[in-house]
Amino acid sequence: QVQLVQSGAEVKKPGASVKVSCKASAYTFTGYYLHWVRQAPGQGLEWMGWINPNSGGTNYAQKFQGRVTMTRDTSISTAYMELSRLRSDDTAVYYCARVRGYSGYGDFDYWGQGALVTVSS
Amino acid sequence: QLVLTQSPSASASLGASVKLTCILNSGHSSYAIAWHQQQPEKGPRYLMKLDSDGSHRKGDGIPDRFSGSSSGAERYLTISSLQSEDEADYYCQTWGTDTVVFGGGTKLTVL
Repeated sequence: QVQLVQSGAEVKKPGASVKVSCKASAYTFTGYYLHWVRQAPGQGLEWMGWINPNSGGTNYAQKFQGRVTMTRDTSISTAYMELSRLRSDDTAVYYCARVRGYSGYGDFDYWGQGALVTVSS
Repeated sequence: QLVLTQSPSASASLGASVKLTCILNSGHSSYAIAWHQQQPEKGPRYLMKLDSDGSHRKGDGIPDRFSGSSSGAERYLTISSLQSEDEADYYCQTWGTDTVVFGGGTKLTVL
């Protein structure tokens, strides 16, 4: 069955960067866009952007432009989300999610298990 | 600007039915949405895609107890024969040409 398996929890200091991975299995990695969504403690879901695993093209939510970089390695079916200049309010669980279908936008039919990033001095 | 509005909380008794609502803002009443369930301390789980005409396509393994319907700008998720494991947060999601938006979520309590 389709799976998105993410890297583990991270603790970072303010100003540092974090890179979260999302390894896909049981489907053609390059056939579906992957999005990143985060959830601060006790809060709702916030969209960050997407990567097209086939072309490497990206689109970021305006809020994160200049601080987020999404990449992929097709040889190991893995997508990455790097967030720089971390602040305390970046503390959140970061999820990757696959778009159902072959376009950049649509319903998210599979989610990773999430990766907790804690930003603390 | 694309906005989804959900009631913060809902409750219903074990074995009963509940209908959760997600409202699209003005000018976006024809948009499809998706429903996701997030049980405590877990990641979101896809339930279904719901179109403006009420047709819906469920995710893998989603029980028949979960169904969707639409009326104008409102999108509904109905859960019948409520079970304890249905106690969760429910989020609606939609998308435009350049963005993805989530509703604020509804916390469902099963009494």
